[in-house]
Amino acid sequence: GAGVSQSPSNKVTEKGKDVELRCDPISGHTALYWYRQSLGQGLEFLIYFQGNSAPDKSGLPSDRFSAERTGGSVSTLTIQRTQQEDSAVYLCASSLVVGLAGLSGANVLTFGAGSRLTVL
Amino acid sequence: GQNIDQPTEMTATEGAIVQINCTYQTSGFNGLFWYQQHAGEAPTFLSYNVLDGLEEKGRFSSFLSRSKGYSYLLLKELQMKDSASYLCAVIGGTYKYIFGTGTRLKVLA
Repeated sequence: GAGVSQSPSNKVTEKGKDVELRCDPISGHTALYWYRQSLGQGLEFLIYFQGNSAPDKSGLPSDRFSAERTGGSVSTLTIQRTQQEDSAVYLCASSLVVGLAGLSGANVLTFGAGSRLTVL
Repeated sequence: GQNIDQPTEMTATEGAIVQINCTYQTSGFNGLFWYQQHAGEAPTFLSYNVLDGLEEKGRFSSFLSRSKGYSYLLLKELQMKDSASYLCAVIGGTYKYIFGTGTRLKVLA
């Protein structure tokens, strides 16, 4: 697509429920990143994908968080047994490549509008 | 460990020049990027540096010194619409993008 699409834009759930957040990156972008942003805070790295593989999952806060990417395109971030501290905006971003073309703008991230998660 | 530091808040006057500093310590380095984020919106790309020196893009310039682990974003001829958060990000050795906590810039009339 023309931009990075995320759904849902807003999700309100009850503590203990599972949620799935979806990201559809720009067509042809091989790298996909997930970040979490709490109100007034910076971007907390969660995970990134190069193609369908995730070289770095170190940012996932706990084993309740998981993510996958299929067909080198759409990615899903799943949060199981949600807790109130999971409330945040979850941002997805994609770039043409990861690292290899370090001297070009191919690493520039394009962000989606985010999914705002509220856990009651 | 990896650490990126920026001032939390800055205030400047319309028409003035402001410099936002960023210092970083990362395992490996593959580029430093600046993004702008207006309240309630997603970040958008401003500028990047891979080699030492100054990159200029209109009213925005970004400088990098890899030996000092230091960068700054220079905004000239400030406008009210420049009121936003400015995020410094580094691509480290494992190619993950790490963001600083951001600098909230308030431009006053």
